[in-house]
Amino acid sequence: KQEVTQIPAALSVPEGENLVLNCSFTDSAIYNLQWFRQDPGKGLTSLLLIQSSQREQTSGRLNASLDKSSGRSTLYIAASQPGDSATYLCAEETSGSRLTFGEGTQLTVNP
Amino acid sequence: DTGVSQNPRHKITKRGQNVTFRCDPISEHNRLYWYRQTLGQGPEFLTYFQNEAQLEKSRLLSDRFSAERPKGSFSTLEIQRTEQGDSAMYLCASSQGYLYGYTFGSGTRLTVV
Repeated sequence: KQEVTQIPAALSVPEGENLVLNCSFTDSAIYNLQWFRQDPGKGLTSLLLIQSSQREQTSGRLNASLDKSSGRSTLYIAASQPGDSATYLCAEETSGSRLTFGEGTQLTVNP
Repeated sequence: DTGVSQNPRHKITKRGQNVTFRCDPISEHNRLYWYRQTLGQGPEFLTYFQNEAQLEKSRLLSDRFSAERPKGSFSTLEIQRTEQGDSAMYLCASSQGYLYGYTFGSGTRLTVV
């Protein structure tokens, strides 16, 4: 059974701090890994997509890495801002027909 | 194209009633997915369409749930005889394929009272 685990479940940091969110997965036959942001009561916004042949992707202050051999992905957020406060979800695609999500990390960035 | 559109945004219904949700995917995306998310959890897969064909269904999708995608464009998800346990956010996503990732809509929040 595919499992995706995100650590920590919640994180509170002061504004300006760099931070790392962790995602681990059990199925190494991964097609891609996608990071999403979810604001309370809203849908999911795609942040970064890392295909299985890639090691990392960057967008602005965000950098995501993928290590298939260890079954881990990290999302690095540089110079965090209060507007970054949200729940961050990682999801792996292994079959081409569905994503398996972790439970998310709830991030609070304090001004 | 403004992305994946879901309607309604919110639905409150009495237990035992039927409800139907609609999803309009990004027009060039041939793949469409439904997920369900309860509070504090990640989304869970319900079903997947490629064009008009429903190719995969989760065992979470009981007999009271049915999804359609006529003509391979918009999709509807119907829940018959709703139960309080059906209260959740129902999310729709579309994709061109696994190389391109998924685009999600804003979801439909269902509350069964």
